[in-house]
Amino acid sequence: DAKTTQPPSMDCAEGRAANLPCNHSTISGNEYVYWYRQIHSQGPQYIIHGLKNNETNEMASLIITEDRKSSTLILPHATLRDTAVYYCIVSSLSNSGYALNFGKGTSLLVTP
Amino acid sequence: EAQVTQNPRYLITVTGKKLTVTCSQNMNHEYMSWYRQDPGLGLRQIYYSMNVEVTDKGDVPEGYKVSRKEKRNFPLILESPSPNQTSLYFCASSPLTDTQYFGPGTRLTVL
Repeated sequence: DAKTTQPPSMDCAEGRAANLPCNHSTISGNEYVYWYRQIHSQGPQYIIHGLKNNETNEMASLIITEDRKSSTLILPHATLRDTAVYYCIVSSLSNSGYALNFGKGTSLLVTP
Repeated sequence: EAQVTQNPRYLITVTGKKLTVTCSQNMNHEYMSWYRQDPGLGLRQIYYSMNVEVTDKGDVPEGYKVSRKEKRNFPLILESPSPNQTSLYFCASSPLTDTQYFGPGTRLTVL
């Protein structure tokens, strides 16, 4: 079972910020929060990841709560090309491998 | 250009006819992995490899084999394909403890 909970779908107007929430209440201390997205059956694309601190890169920002039980991915100025399924994943490298449990994700629709 | 390539991209075959889907990466990554994606089930890991000659089962390994003789290649082998292996397959690679880079996918149909 996925260790994260995300809303199944969200809408966002083009040019506005898209805020995608994720709950991961059972996250353990050595697990990172990763965000990937998948545009219509293409290979998943890495967006951003973090452990405790908020992170920002050229694609997005990641806000992690202080207790690490939830996070929010922010796309500051959504475009139509950001329409995709967004996956929030918690993961750590372990002796059993580095599997990413994608869950069902959030289907984001950016509208004109 | 850094990338993960898969071949073929599309394949239609018949039950029982052995096939291989190739995966190659040019980033010198240690870790490689295969996933399958099915409607309503998301992406599930089939096999992974932490380095050359080191492979291990993921969540759904039945009916599949892999090998890792070279660092750059990680082929997925279906010895006797069955219709329930009709799926969209993704190969991924990463340096250990870092993000994964995915290939473009292989859409397999087994009749």
